[in-house]
Amino acid sequence: GQQLNQSPQSMFIQEGEDVSMNCTSSSIFNTWLWYKQDPGEGPVLLIALYKAGELTSNGRLTAQFGITRKDSFLNISASIPSDVGIYFCVSLDSWGKLQFGAGTQVVVTP
Amino acid sequence: DAGITQSPRHKVTETGTPVTLRCHQTENHRYMYWYRQDPGHGLRLIHYSYGVKDTDKGEVSDGYSVSRSKTEDFLLTLESATSSQTSVYFCAISDSSAYEQYFGPGTRLTVT
Repeated sequence: GQQLNQSPQSMFIQEGEDVSMNCTSSSIFNTWLWYKQDPGEGPVLLIALYKAGELTSNGRLTAQFGITRKDSFLNISASIPSDVGIYFCVSLDSWGKLQFGAGTQVVVTP
Repeated sequence: DAGITQSPRHKVTETGTPVTLRCHQTENHRYMYWYRQDPGHGLRLIHYSYGVKDTDKGEVSDGYSVSRSKTEDFLLTLESATSSQTSVYFCAISDSSAYEQYFGPGTRLTVT
């Protein structure tokens, strides 16, 4: 069943603002991933994290693997209109399959 | 972009009818997956394949079957569609890295 809790569920932000979202679990994971789904398309991998405490950036995106291995955070700096979409935190379950959170819907207003 | 196509892109069908969705890849990736996406649930794995004629169940496999007779094609069949199977279906592929999957554009299925 669903083990990843993402928050917030949705956020309305103004262009230029910074965005933060997080994902928590009651289970320990060895890998955290962040995928983004643009409207009308399939998800695309943004960032992969493999070590507790790891901080990784991809352009304006920065993600962190929580020190407890039960959480992860994604920050978007200076948001632009193309940041709109659904952001999923994803982990690998015990069979090595992707397990998705419910997603954070981001809407960017000019 | 990874070469993945899904067909049809949209389908409306009646309860009780059989439905087959097709996923086609041109990347020669070994692994193929079918997910469904519903509000509040993210994407959930239905079935996956780790080679020709090698398939296994995912988290929400009840009511679905799959077949993979060629590397490039992975079919998802709803033997008798129900309204609870109204959803957006995504196919994905990967080579050796389970975590980096490439997703198709999705098929929106409505069962009335």
